[in-house]
Amino acid sequence: DVKVTQSSRYLVKRTGEKVFLECVQDMDHENMFWYRQDPGLGLRLIYFSYDVKMKEKGDIPEGYSVSREKKERFSLILESASTNQTSMYLCASSLIRTAQPQHFGDGTRLSIL
Amino acid sequence: EDQVTQSPEALRLQEGESSSLNCSYTVSGLRGLFWYRQDPGKGPEFLFTLYSAGEEKEKERLKATLTKKESFLHITAPKPEDSATYLCAVVDGGSQGNLIFGKGTKLSVKP
Repeated sequence: DVKVTQSSRYLVKRTGEKVFLECVQDMDHENMFWYRQDPGLGLRLIYFSYDVKMKEKGDIPEGYSVSREKKERFSLILESASTNQTSMYLCASSLIRTAQPQHFGDGTRLSIL
Repeated sequence: EDQVTQSPEALRLQEGESSSLNCSYTVSGLRGLFWYRQDPGKGPEFLFTLYSAGEEKEKERLKATLTKKESFLHITAPKPEDSATYLCAVVDGGSQGNLIFGKGTKLSVKP
């Protein structure tokens, strides 16, 4: 079974802090994704990566950056956290071949005070 | 623009009362449609992949079907443990694996 592990289930930070969310997958997947999920807005893509050291902006990249130094690890960085970044953050991975499902971690519920 | 629309937004059923959830999509050249189940406070769990019109997949009380414009998730004789949000997604035609998600149907099954 595919295992996508997010480092924290719950996280509380203060405005202005730099926040790191970590994601590790164990299935040698090329693709990795970061989403945020908010009530009524569904899943929104923040950043994605098809390969090591490669990154692409998704639909809502403002205020975020990412790092992919190793194939299995994809980090999301909130450069200077703001209250409107309070959300559920979900990491996913998939094979690069066409039409493969994404597999998700259990999410990080992030609160910015 | 590629889009995925799910209906209804919420569905309340009695235990044993069968029903269907709808996922309609507009995408040029469907490369794959996926169904997920999401429990509160957890990430989406992959259920099915459908690739072409006429295809069907089954798992326990769930059956997914696909036409050229929409997919249905049929739930037969549901149980309270089937309560969850069900998400539908299609492959973004211009990508190497990005998905376009619907906003989901929240299913509640009462005993």
